This record gives sequence, C-alpha cells and structure tokens, in this order.
Amino acid sequence: DAGITQSPRHKVTETGTPVTLRCHQTENHRYMYWYRQDPGHGLRLIHYSYGVKDTDKGEVSDGYSVSRSKTEDFLLTLESATSSQTSVYFCAISEPKQGSGQETQYFGPGTRLLVL
Amino acid sequence: DAKTTQPNSMESNEEEPVHLPCNHSTISGTDYIHWYRQLPSQGPEYVIHGLTSNVNNRMASLAIAEDRKSSTLILHRATLRDAAVYYCILNHNNDMRFGAGTRLTVKP
Repeated sequence: DAGITQSPRHKVTETGTPVTLRCHQTENHRYMYWYRQDPGHGLRLIHYSYGVKDTDKGEVSDGYSVSRSKTEDFLLTLESATSSQTSVYFCAISEPKQGSGQETQYFGPGTRLLVL
Repeated sequence: DAKTTQPNSMESNEEEPVHLPCNHSTISGTDYIHWYRQLPSQGPEYVIHGLTSNVNNRMASLAIAEDRKSSTLILHRATLRDAAVYYCILNHNNDMRFGAGTRLTVKP
C-alpha cells in the first residue's frame, strides 16, 4: 500500500468554525490531490498540487483552500465550515509519467467530516 | 469533458468471470482508459489502464474496443473480496473525473 495517511480520520464540527485536514505521504510523489465524495456524485476534485507551493483549483474549489509547504504534506482548509461541506474527503498522490494520462493515483483512507 | 457510462449495478457468482462494461463514445485520441475500484469504507484503488491494446495484470484484464468507444474490465474469477464499486475513467492530462461507477455484488 502507498504510504498515505490522513488526519483526522473523523471529525465533527460546527458551522462557521475553521477546519484543517492533513494528508501526509512517504512516497515522495510530486502530485497531490484532495477529493470529496458524496452520495450520488462520486468523487469530485477540490484542489491539487503539482509541487511544493504550486497548487490549482479543481472542480469544486469554492469554500476550500490548500497549502503545500513540503513535498510530503498537503493541507485542506475549510475557512468557515458549512453543512454542505459534510462529506468524506480523500487525499491522493501520483507521480508524473511520460505520456500524460498514464499517471495512476493512490488514495488515502479518507476523512469523514460532519458539519453540524 | 469526455464522459463514461456504466451500469449502476451487477451481480456475479463467486469463482465465475465478471465482465464490467463501460461506454465512452466521446473519448479523444489521447485519453487513457483507467479503472479503479472502491471497497467499502476505503479509498479508491487503481486496477488497470490502457490506451488502445488489451492489457492484463495480476488483478484483471482490460479489453478495449477497436474504435475505443467502449471497454470491458474482466475479473477472471470473482471472489467475495472483489465486491466493490468499479469506476471507469478517462484520464486526460491527469484530469480524472469519477462517475457513479458500477456496484458489483459477488454471491457465494
């Protein structure tokens, strides 16, 4: 299994509070991703990073920010959590390969977030 | 964005082969076809990918139609541990869009 950990694994918080989720990898992969998974929507990309301090928005980035100060860590922050951000959050990593489209992503175990 | 279409659910008997279909009629020439699966309460895991030719690995086989508008993931002998949601995804410049996938049930 790829060395990817997510913390916390479960979190309950209240609307309006800030929340930070952490993804840590030991594989030294260059790319890192944050997805959310909701019933009926599959996985949707929130933000991704293609290197230290290099990040970009995904499909559903509103209300989220990210930071990557080290290769191994990718943080997802909900500045002011809302009930619509209740979801399961997955981190993933990948390494660029020649022939874009061949990269495979390795996923972490997920974080269940409940915003009351 | 190129999209894929999969059946919502399929059933299989244990130790029998399973063929999971995927339609991707709007695929572009540089899109790779990837399959991932997600076991209950886990993150997705990579299964296999290909471009034009059929592919085999220790987990499964991928059969790609000659016109690339469809593909089939083949599990040669389903086990109870293969019960999962299987996602067919087109990978374009490392942009992967997950759909709802096919929920595979394996009966003993």
